Parts: sequence; C-alpha cells; structure tokens
Amino acid sequence: GESVGLHLPTLSVQEGDNSIINCAYSNSASDYFIWYKQESGKGPQFIIDIRSNMDKRQGQRVTVLLNKTVKHLSLQIAATQPGDSAVYFCAENGGQGAQKLVFGQGTRLTINP
Amino acid sequence: NAGVMQNPRHLVRRRGQEARLRCSPMKGHSHVYWYRQLPEEGLKFMVYLQKENIIDESGMPKERFSAEFPKEGPSILRIQQVVRGDSAAYFCASSRDPPPSGELFFGEGSRLTVL
Repeated sequence: GESVGLHLPTLSVQEGDNSIINCAYSNSASDYFIWYKQESGKGPQFIIDIRSNMDKRQGQRVTVLLNKTVKHLSLQIAATQPGDSAVYFCAENGGQGAQKLVFGQGTRLTINP
Repeated sequence: NAGVMQNPRHLVRRRGQEARLRCSPMKGHSHVYWYRQLPEEGLKFMVYLQKENIIDESGMPKERFSAEFPKEGPSILRIQQVVRGDSAAYFCASSRDPPPSGELFFGEGSRLTVL
C-alpha cells in the first residue's frame, strides 16, 4: 500500500552546520515529491519540490535529492539557522491520476545555538 | 493576495455536539483538500473537492463526517456527534491546478478539542 516514511523522527544540529533529512517512499508510481516545513501551531509551508525526471533540485539553502532506484528522497539544508527549527514532511503524489498527496510522519529538526 | 483562510482556529466541543470548520481557498484556486493531523503525526488525506463536487473522499470516515464546497462561499468540513477521537488539527489546502501536479497551499489549520 501507499506509505511514506522517514528514517529519523528527530534530528539535532548545531547552528551553521548542514542538515540532511531523509525520506523513503513506497509507491513507485509517484512522480512528484514535495518537502514541507511545519512550525509549531502553523500549517505546512512549501519548501521545494522535484519531479521524477530529475534527481536533484536546488533552492535557496535547500537541495532535494531523488533516488528513484531505491525510492529515497532527501532534503539538505545548508548553514542551518534557528528559524529552521520545525517539523519537516516529505509528500508524494501517487502518480498520474492520483488525487491526493501522501505525507510521511515527519522529522523534527532542532537547531542548537 | 491572501492565503488559505481557515476558521475557527480553535474549536472546543463536547461529545455529541457538531463541529463545522470553514475554509476559503486562495483567490483563483478551485481545488480544495482537507487533511487531518494528530499530534506528532503527519497529515492524512480526507477529501478533495472542486466547486460543488466531491472528487475523492476516500480518506473520510464513513459516518459523521461530510464536506462540501458550494458554488458560493467557503468549503465546510462538518463533523456530527463528535467523539474524543476527533480531536485533531484539520488543515485545508487549495491549488490552482488539479492534482497530481498542482502545488498545494495550506491554511493555518483548525484545532478541534472534544471534551
């Protein structure tokens, strides 16, 4: 069945370090993936997306890597800042014809000063 | 350009009462989605609607839950005869383009507490 899971539920990094958040997905039909950031008491906020015809996409301080062979997705955040502390979710679309995003459980990222 | 607006932000109900959650999508968006989030968990899809139509309600519980997106006005998620297990954050999202490629924009959520 559909499932999107994360390897680590929590991650702590020092301010200024790089962080990597991982995600495994199981639906090989998925062709669109998104990373969301959710701060406490708020709704998910779009960070970056990637389509299956790409294996890497970069944004401002963030990079998403997609490995379709092993169905793995990662989010890299460079030079982490206190404002990066949040829960990060990956989501997959389930492929063409799917009507919904499937979210993973989330990883809580904590930035230590 | 206002984002997705949800109200109320917080709602307290006693068991057996009804809860109504409202969602106004972003301007120009005709696709609305409702998700539920339990504490420390990810978002679970409930329903996808377009104006006046329910497209996919595969995530909706069979009883007590209903959703609508009328021609005029916000989308409504209605929970009848609430139970403690309904306590959760309910998020609405909207997109301009249809799934599976339309980027979803989320509201700040409505947090339901059932006493």
